Amino acid sequence: DTGVSQDPRHKITKRGQNVTFRCDPISEHNRLYWYRQTLGQGPEFLTYFQNEAQLEKSRLLSDRFSAERPKGSFSTLEIQRTEQGDSAMYLCASSLGQEGEKLFFGSGTQLSVL
Amino acid sequence: DQQVKQNSPSLSVQEGRISILNCDYTNSMFDYFLWYKKYPAEGPTFLISISSIKDKNEDGRFTVFLNKSAKHLSLHIVPSQPGDSAVYFCAASARGTGTYKYIFGTGTRLKVLA
Repeated sequence: DTGVSQDPRHKITKRGQNVTFRCDPISEHNRLYWYRQTLGQGPEFLTYFQNEAQLEKSRLLSDRFSAERPKGSFSTLEIQRTEQGDSAMYLCASSLGQEGEKLFFGSGTQLSVL
Repeated sequence: DQQVKQNSPSLSVQEGRISILNCDYTNSMFDYFLWYKKYPAEGPTFLISISSIKDKNEDGRFTVFLNKSAKHLSLHIVPSQPGDSAVYFCAASARGTGTYKYIFGTGTRLKVLA
């Protein structure tokens, strides 16, 4: 059990470019979450999956954001046509999906849009 | 609409004394709560949880109290140690409504003075 792994740790991109982040959850965890955090704020919910099904997506999430979890294991989060306001820490978390569950977070991907 | 609020952005406590971190929520459907600790450049780390069927949960130096009528929970750390200095987040979920989405507060920065 190596914990939740996120790649890359840092990403610098120019406005208008597309970026993709990867998250590898703890094996056998069937729920996977994406959050976004900016300075001075708490993690903001983006979306979550149960196995390969995307069960919920934030209403505030722009359609430039898309997430997938094709085989119910790793997940990718893509941001198209990035904007400076997308600069944030993108956090992935996973859970077993059992009673008394807790979320295990990765170290995040820090995105800077220039 | 901030459904989970941590109204104290920061707190300083002397080593060995009690730290009390507070969290208020507005959604009466929230029925499961988590506390996390976060160090800079790392993902949040789980501390303790509580279900709405309980009013207290303890784990070592950490105790969480839930007052459902006041829609308030608090995290007590006794005794506080310098290594506890971090940002603390509370999170809430309305699992009884069929969602496993967690809403996070804005965090409280705890500084434990040696």
